[in-house]
Amino acid sequence: QKEVEQDPGPLSVPEGAIVSLNCTYSNSAFQYFMWYRQYSRKGPELLMYTYSSGNKEDGRFTAQVDKSSKYISLFIRDSQPSDSATYLCAMTLMDSSYKLIFGSGTRLLVRP
Amino acid sequence: GAGVSQSPSNKVTEKGKDVELRCDPISGHTALYWYRQSLGQGLEFLIYFQGNSAPDKSGLPSDRFSAERTGGSVSTLTIQRTQQEDSAVYLCASSLEEGIGNTFGSGTRLTVV
Repeated sequence: QKEVEQDPGPLSVPEGAIVSLNCTYSNSAFQYFMWYRQYSRKGPELLMYTYSSGNKEDGRFTAQVDKSSKYISLFIRDSQPSDSATYLCAMTLMDSSYKLIFGSGTRLLVRP
Repeated sequence: GAGVSQSPSNKVTEKGKDVELRCDPISGHTALYWYRQSLGQGLEFLIYFQGNSAPDKSGLPSDRFSAERTGGSVSTLTIQRTQQEDSAVYLCASSLEEGIGNTFGSGTRLTVV
């Protein structure tokens, strides 16, 4: 079993829809939780990070963490075709290297 | 530079040959990471540098893989005697502080034929 599980999709939604992307994890020691967006042939780009349970909002994006359930979500409101990309969740132990453990990524397609 | 630069962007090599992949991090970023992204395995950590030291090499898959960093800046990932299973996108990331705010390069797409 992987430490971080993420539904690979693809997820196809109409423009303007609310998108929900989710990850579950098994290691309760994870302390920081991140969402990256990756366009084709590009490196991942950090969207949001949070370290506590609860919600964090940034424009159309909301990151939600539930440490008791080991479950994190990213919500995208008023989705746009430009949001079409692969979304990766990532987590870190904040140990000596702070290396990131990634989910497998969810491919999102927003149809005009 | 403005971002993390990786070269080459694409590399096709014959099985058994050695390859070198280069990463130029953002100026002033002391933390540097190499990751590998493949279809079957997703994005996996390879090695972490703090300055020129590599305190965490736990992700290197075999002793055919090595990396170095010089001058606290440029890093080179070397794969010796390449195998077909080494085919993947190799991504470099740097950050001012460990773990948070990693900026990734666009990667080197390695194909071993």
